[in-house]
Amino acid sequence: AQKITQTQPGMFVQEKEAVTLDCTYDTSDPSYGLFWYKQPSSGEMIFLIYQGSYDQQNATEGRYSLNFQKARKSANLVISASQLGDSAMYFCAMSGANRGNDMRFGAGTRLTVKP
Amino acid sequence: KAGVTQTPRYLIKTRGQQVTLSCSPISGHRSVSWYQQTPGQGLQFLFEYFSETQRNKGNFPGRFSGRQFSNSRSEMNVSTLELGDSALYLCASSLRVAGGPDTQYFGPGTRLTVL
Repeated sequence: AQKITQTQPGMFVQEKEAVTLDCTYDTSDPSYGLFWYKQPSSGEMIFLIYQGSYDQQNATEGRYSLNFQKARKSANLVISASQLGDSAMYFCAMSGANRGNDMRFGAGTRLTVKP
Repeated sequence: KAGVTQTPRYLIKTRGQQVTLSCSPISGHRSVSWYQQTPGQGLQFLFEYFSETQRNKGNFPGRFSGRQFSNSRSEMNVSTLELGDSALYLCASSLRVAGGPDTQYFGPGTRLTVL
């Protein structure tokens, strides 16, 4: 079975500072993908970044980077230079290569950026 | 390129009624997945359609059904609505790359309220 755990229900960060959102996972799939999504209050899920289980390097997308530690089964999201618009719910998700698009989500972390 | 669109954005129904939600994927995407989001259960996978065929199904009762048309547009139907069906229903589309996890792009969601 696949499981995603996000242990931080809420986080605060000062504008322009960096913040790390934690995500650990458990899976028996040999090949899988890890995703981070942002959900503003409007409700739409916005794709941020993807890491494949066989990728050697950590994924980066602009101000977002994914700190992937396969042995520890963790896939933390790092947001650099936080902006007020980064305030939102952030979800870590996983899908297995053999499970189609059945994606499992964590409970989410609510990030609040303070001016 | 236009994103995933969902209609309607908001719905209010009463118990026992049925409802149909619609999703138009990103042009060129052939896979459409549906998710239910509630405060209590979080984000849960309902089902995935690819090439007009249901490829995966989550753990939901048979009252939840869907279909996909030849143009990849998808509809989701919920019959005999219950109060617990009140949720944000999110549709996601993807290319459905063979042999690997697929990045899913979400629509704005349909917020269903059952009275």
